[in-house]
Amino acid sequence: SQQGEEDPQALSIQEGENATMNCSYKTSINNLQWYRQNSGRGLVHLILIRSNEREKHSGRLRVTLDTSKKSSSLLITASRAADTASYFCATDIGGYQKVTFGTGTKLQVIP
Amino acid sequence: DVKVTQSSRYLVKRTGEKVFLECVQDMDHENMFWYRQDPGLGLRLIYFSYDVKMKEKGDIPEGYSVSREKKERFSLILESASTNQTSMYLCASSSHGTGGEKLFFGSGTQLSVL
Repeated sequence: SQQGEEDPQALSIQEGENATMNCSYKTSINNLQWYRQNSGRGLVHLILIRSNEREKHSGRLRVTLDTSKKSSSLLITASRAADTASYFCATDIGGYQKVTFGTGTKLQVIP
Repeated sequence: DVKVTQSSRYLVKRTGEKVFLECVQDMDHENMFWYRQDPGLGLRLIYFSYDVKMKEKGDIPEGYSVSREKKERFSLILESASTNQTSMYLCASSSHGTGGEKLFFGSGTQLSVL
C-alpha cells in the first residue's frame, strides 16, 4: 500500500489564488520531499523538509510538517498557469535509501 | 546538465515477451530506482539499488527483476510481460547519504503490453 496519500486528488483554481495540497503518511519518517510532474514527464524535486523542522519556504512554496499527525502540506502562493502539474510527496526512513511516493494531487491553474 | 536517460519513450510488447527497460545516469549516483505510475495510484516502487550488484525489493516487485552490473546503469526486466504491466515506468537516481537526497528522474517509458 502507498506510504503517502495526497488530498485533494485534483484541484482547480484561478491564476493568482493560493493552492494548498496535503499529504498524509503512515509510518514515522526522517524526511519528506515534494516533487512536481508536468504532464507525462519525469518528476522534479521542489523542496525537502526534515522531521525536526516544522516549516520551510522556497520562493512561492511553503511546506509544513506535523509529525504528530503524520501529515504535510504544500502551499503555492500567487499561482500561475505554469504551476499546472501534478504534485507528489515522497518519504524516506533516513539512512535507508528506500523512497516512496504518495498518490499525487493534480493542480490546474486557470489563466 | 545532469541526466537520467531511459532508453525508450514508448514501447509496445506482446504478452509473454521478455522486456528490458534500460536506465542510465551520468551523475555517479549510488542509488537508482524503478517506479511504475498508474492513474489514481501515484508512483509505486518496484526495486531499488544502492550499489553495483546490490538490489532491494520495493513495494511491488512481483513479475519484475533488475540488474545493476555498472554504477551508471540500472535495468528493469519483465520476465514474461502481462497486460497488467501496461504502465508508465520511471527511473530515478540519487546520491548516497543520510536521507533526504534529491531524486533525479528520467522522462519515463510508456509500456503497452498487448
